[in-house]
Amino acid sequence: DQQVKQNSPSLSVQEGRISILNCDYTNSMFDYFLWYKKYPAEGPTFLISISSIKDKNEDGRFTVFLNKSAKHLSLHIVPSQPGDSAVYFCAASDDFNKFYFGSGTKLNVKP
Amino acid sequence: EAGVTQFPSHSVIEKGQTVTLRCDPISGHDNLYWYRRVMGKEIKFLLHFVKESKQDESGMPNNRFLAERTGGTYSTLKVQPAELEDSGVYFCASSQVPGAVNEQFFGPGTRLTVL
Repeated sequence: DQQVKQNSPSLSVQEGRISILNCDYTNSMFDYFLWYKKYPAEGPTFLISISSIKDKNEDGRFTVFLNKSAKHLSLHIVPSQPGDSAVYFCAASDDFNKFYFGSGTKLNVKP
Repeated sequence: EAGVTQFPSHSVIEKGQTVTLRCDPISGHDNLYWYRRVMGKEIKFLLHFVKESKQDESGMPNNRFLAERTGGTYSTLKVQPAELEDSGVYFCASSQVPGAVNEQFFGPGTRLTVL
């Protein structure tokens, strides 16, 4: 059974606006969460992480929010740029090594 | 510094044949991971090496899959015999610091197609 879910397979956003990508998980033991970005024909690239002791982590235009009670995390990209167009995966772990990934959300940022 | 490399980039084989995928981690990275993504679904963990030892192989689908990392450098993943459902993209990742959540570096993947 899939423990990390990204229910939106795709998202289209206008350049300059906010992109919000969502992720839900089922295992309450997960305490580390990451977002990866993937371009076609490339491997996933680490973007941003958050541990369960925080509810927000910010890095430039990227902010990850964690709602532990709802078992939900989201990635906000502000402002969105055409170069942000990629597939975004969320991942979760309880041991730093074995990560459970979602199925990805394809973001398209329109110029 | 060279990143994680994988060979081949694509492989097309017939059901019942054998295929061996190779991963060269970033030099000095003791941790090596194999993942698989099938048909646009989630990326699934297969196994984790620490140097030449299998730390966690709980994600390996069945005994048709064999991973090795002799000498603790590059790793191979052999599928024998291959079945249709083995088709997908196989990713390798490596990290230097155990437990550093932001330091799994992924290779570009090997796309395996079983006909």
